[in-house]
Amino acid sequence: AQSVTQLDSHVSVSEGTPVLLRCNYSSSYSPSLFWYVQHPNKGLQLLLKYTSAATLVKGINGFEAEFKKSETSFHLTKPSAHMSDAAEYFCVVSDSWGKLQFGAGTQVVVTP
Amino acid sequence: DTGVSQNPRHKITKRGQNVTFRCDPISEHNRLYWYRQTLGQGPEFLTYFQNEAQLEKSRLLSDRFSAERPKGSFSTLEIQRTEQGDSAMYLCASSFPGQETQYFGPGTRLLVL
Repeated sequence: AQSVTQLDSHVSVSEGTPVLLRCNYSSSYSPSLFWYVQHPNKGLQLLLKYTSAATLVKGINGFEAEFKKSETSFHLTKPSAHMSDAAEYFCVVSDSWGKLQFGAGTQVVVTP
Repeated sequence: DTGVSQNPRHKITKRGQNVTFRCDPISEHNRLYWYRQTLGQGPEFLTYFQNEAQLEKSRLLSDRFSAERPKGSFSTLEIQRTEQGDSAMYLCASSFPGQETQYFGPGTRLLVL
């Protein structure tokens, strides 16, 4: 069985400062990991995915994530937050059939 | 390509009524998934189809829930005798054969009074 734990339910950052969203995973095999973003009243959008290629994964809108097997982590970062980054972010692990297991989510607030 | 579409976007119903939601996946996507998201939580898997075959159902899917994908294209999710606990956002996603990325629709928000 696989699962993900998002370590922060809320993160507040100032515009222009770095963003760090933490995620730990548990999996009995080499996992596929994703980060999705959900803006209010909008559908889930894929930010990036890791599928056992490069451990540093670049996504859309300047986000990237690093897969660290030794730490079972897949943290999401962005060097400089923008107001439009305010949203809910989900760390997700996929099983061998493609069924997704979502974390509880991290709400990001960006202040001017 | 218009993406995954879901109808209706919102549904308000009274407890005990039946409701049906529809999902139209991206064309040529053979896998279709249903998830449920309650307030403040991440989506939870309900069931999925490969073409017209329903391959897995979550324990969350009680016998009041049924899903179909009769021709391997669109899918319907029906909830019979709705309960207040069924109030949630119901999300549909689809994926291309052999690829893991799932593309999500906007969801149907259900409120049971």
